[in-house]
Amino acid sequence: GQQVMQIPQYQHVQEGEDFTTYCNSSTTLSNIQWYKQRPGGHPVFLIQLVKSGEVKKQKRLTFQFGEAKKNSSLHITATQTTDVGTYFCAGPGETSGSRLTFGEGTQLTVNP
Amino acid sequence: GAGVSQSPRYKVAKRGQDVALRCDPISGHVSLFWYQQALGQGPEFLTYFQNEAQLDKSGLPSDRFFAERPEGSVSTLKIQRTQQEDSAVYLCASSLAGYEQYFGPGTRLTVT
Repeated sequence: GQQVMQIPQYQHVQEGEDFTTYCNSSTTLSNIQWYKQRPGGHPVFLIQLVKSGEVKKQKRLTFQFGEAKKNSSLHITATQTTDVGTYFCAGPGETSGSRLTFGEGTQLTVNP
Repeated sequence: GAGVSQSPRYKVAKRGQDVALRCDPISGHVSLFWYQQALGQGPEFLTYFQNEAQLDKSGLPSDRFFAERPEGSVSTLKIQRTQQEDSAVYLCASSLAGYEQYFGPGTRLTVT
């Protein structure tokens, strides 16, 4: 079945350093979504990418969708302590387009 | 406005007991999803409703798990004869048009 993989599993950075998490799917995706989950919280939608090669920016966050629509990345410039949390990518399921298959997430900690 | 709410927030059950978890989606959202999230993992899809119709239940791990949404709004996830491996956070999410999903705070189930 469809698999969505993320690396790294954990990332520790000093405040001000950059951070990148990578997402790879075993199948071509029609779109990919990114969510952030703060410690003790629930996933919160960040963005959806649809087009091959698409790049979107949200302030210090840059999201990319690969040309083959099988991989994606999230890059945070100059991390802040408010960026702490787990970042998940998620793709639509093979059998039902509305369900999401989540990666295992990248847990980011930021040392002040 | 009001987000997705879930109750109870925490539930401790003895092995073999039945539990019922409730989800109140955002008003007007036709799509409703249930996910199971184990510690340190991404959410895993359980089941999906569009209005009152359960369109996908392929993620339910066993026939002990049952979900319903009889009037197309509130949903209940029922687990019969709970087992220790059922311990997890159960997340409910709703969506307006199959786009971004809005998650509730989750119910943390501990089976002892």
